[in-house]
Amino acid sequence: DSGVTQTPKHLITATGQRVTLRCSPRSGDLSVYWYQQSLDQGLQFLIQYYNGEERAKGNILERFSAQQFPDLHSELNLSSLELGDSALYFCASSPRVTGELFFGEGSRLTVL
Amino acid sequence: GESVGLHLPTLSVQEGDNSIINCAYSNSASDYFIWYKQESGKGPQFIIDIRSNMDKRQGQRVTVLLNKTVKHLSLQIAATQPGDSAVYFCAENTGGGSNYKLTFGKGTLLTVNP
Repeated sequence: DSGVTQTPKHLITATGQRVTLRCSPRSGDLSVYWYQQSLDQGLQFLIQYYNGEERAKGNILERFSAQQFPDLHSELNLSSLELGDSALYFCASSPRVTGELFFGEGSRLTVL
Repeated sequence: GESVGLHLPTLSVQEGDNSIINCAYSNSASDYFIWYKQESGKGPQFIIDIRSNMDKRQGQRVTVLLNKTVKHLSLQIAATQPGDSAVYFCAENTGGGSNYKLTFGKGTLLTVNP
């Protein structure tokens, strides 16, 4: 158990809908990262927050947004969902800006 | 279990043999590298890391080798066990400066035969 909690574990929704994925980092970790893992793209970095502020951005679509709250939990919002958004979404946390990432178990999103 | 990739490089070894998993990284300016293990249905799990000022680092049953000249990273697993069966990812810090962004490779599927 990495100490990173993600909910929901599984989510099935329809195209055009909006979903929110939630992540609770390890106690004391200030950095939160979101990754998307699909069969053909591997692990793709989406976005990083450090202590509530956006720190780095990767290949995150404009339909996606994220934030980190004062209690350090983070949410990833996915809107106008398309079939291609079906993937595993991982959250990871780290105590510092750099270093080892601790991954959650992921949220599996299926868009029908 | 769930598959994380249909077209991954694969390595099949016998239990007790040594395994070597290779990775070519992309950015000559990358200063930090990590190997992760992902078992079916789980999130990636840290194995070992290495900074660019080193060329070798050893852990418990694992060794990471870094060759910056050819931008190559390898993970050696000694006395491979069935529990080592998983997808292994190398990751490099491509952020640069004060930024930090781990970019993952496609992964290698290791299968250990009993």
